[in-house]
Amino acid sequence: GAVVSQHPSWVICKSGTSVKIECRSLDFQATTMFWYRQFPKQSLMLMATSNEGSKATYEQGVEKDKFLINHASLTLSTLTVTSAHPEDSSFYICSARDYRSNQPQHFGDGTRLSIL
Amino acid sequence: EDQVTQSPEALRLQEGESSSLNCSYTVSGLRGLFWYRQDPGKGPEFLFTLYSAGEEKEKERLKATLTKKESFLHITAPKPEDSATYLCAVQAADSGYSTLTFGKGTMLLVSP
Repeated sequence: GAVVSQHPSWVICKSGTSVKIECRSLDFQATTMFWYRQFPKQSLMLMATSNEGSKATYEQGVEKDKFLINHASLTLSTLTVTSAHPEDSSFYICSARDYRSNQPQHFGDGTRLSIL
Repeated sequence: EDQVTQSPEALRLQEGESSSLNCSYTVSGLRGLFWYRQDPGKGPEFLFTLYSAGEEKEKERLKATLTKKESFLHITAPKPEDSATYLCAVQAADSGYSTLTFGKGTMLLVSP
């Protein structure tokens, strides 16, 4: 089955640090990748959608200068949380799909980000 | 605005005690309804996609059904390993990048 790998799985860092999270599709070409944030006992909230080689489309209320997304290849997207603060602490999850097929989104295992 | 409401928020079952989870939705034209399973500290794992009212899909002890307003995930004779949060999501027909709107999930605990 389709596999999406997300790294790192856990990050603890000081306030003001920038953190990069990687999302890779291992056995298919991900034409579209999605980044979500999930707070405890809450739904997955879509932050942004990125297509390979294009600028990301951000959801309303998500600061594009705060959350930098790069989707430079068909197998890799990165999310950089710039100058992270404690309120950015959350569970970040990526998903990927190949829009040319009828496959659903396949998710990575998430990154737990804790900002001290 | 697309909305997904799941009930109950939490459900505790004894092993072998069958039950159903509900997902009510409002969407401007449904392209697909998705069920995912999420274990603690993990990303969602795909279970089913349903496209039209009346459609049913099965996988082991799980069966998903769809009407024009809601979907049910039926769990027959559950086992402790079925314990997880079950997420429902909809994809609108006018969703340009096939984005999903998720419900908050139902947390299922199956006791031996």
